[in-house]
Amino acid sequence: KNQVEQSPQSLIILEGKNCTLQCNYTVSPFSNLRWYKQDTGRGPVSLTIMTFSENTKSNGRYTATLDADTKQSSLHITASQLSDSASYICVVIPSTGKLIFGQGTTLQVKP
Amino acid sequence: DAMVIQNPRYQVTQFGKPVTLSCSQTLNHNVMYWYQQKSSQAPKLLFHYYDKDFNNEADTPDNFQSRRPNTSFCFLDIRSPGLGDAAMYLCATSTSGNRWNEQFFGPGTRLTVL
Repeated sequence: KNQVEQSPQSLIILEGKNCTLQCNYTVSPFSNLRWYKQDTGRGPVSLTIMTFSENTKSNGRYTATLDADTKQSSLHITASQLSDSASYICVVIPSTGKLIFGQGTTLQVKP
Repeated sequence: DAMVIQNPRYQVTQFGKPVTLSCSQTLNHNVMYWYQQKSSQAPKLLFHYYDKDFNNEADTPDNFQSRRPNTSFCFLDIRSPGLGDAAMYLCATSTSGNRWNEQFFGPGTRLTVL
């Protein structure tokens, strides 16, 4: 069964600190993987997108990594800001095209 | 700016009273999706339109219907809302020409059922 699991479920960090969110998947065959940011009460917004041949992709302070052999991805946030408080969703797209969502990690950045 | 727009942002309805949620897009994408997202859960695909072709997910209740009168607009109709239908409803679009199937989401409509 195609699944996407994220950890931790929730995370609290202080402003300015770094953090790393994890995503493990069992989706096969695999097309690409995305990380979305979802602010409370808003729709998801794409942060990064990677194909199976890419190992890393950056978008400002967000850096995503992908290990297609171990089927793991991570999202690293550098120098966190209060506006980073949101849910971060790992989404894996199999070759069939239907999105498979993780449950998300809720990040809270405190001053 | 090209975008996905959902109206209303917040909708309150009574148990059993039909409600319609609206989605419009200026991206000229040929695929439109409706998702249901309950609190602290991942979005769940209800159905999608590929051009005019309607594709229903197997586990989507009959209570949920959809209409797409043209490329720009798509509606979600809930015929008899129950308390369990209270959720965020997300509309998304994509183009079949995008090999990565990237979906662009609207801001969502928060539905409350009293």
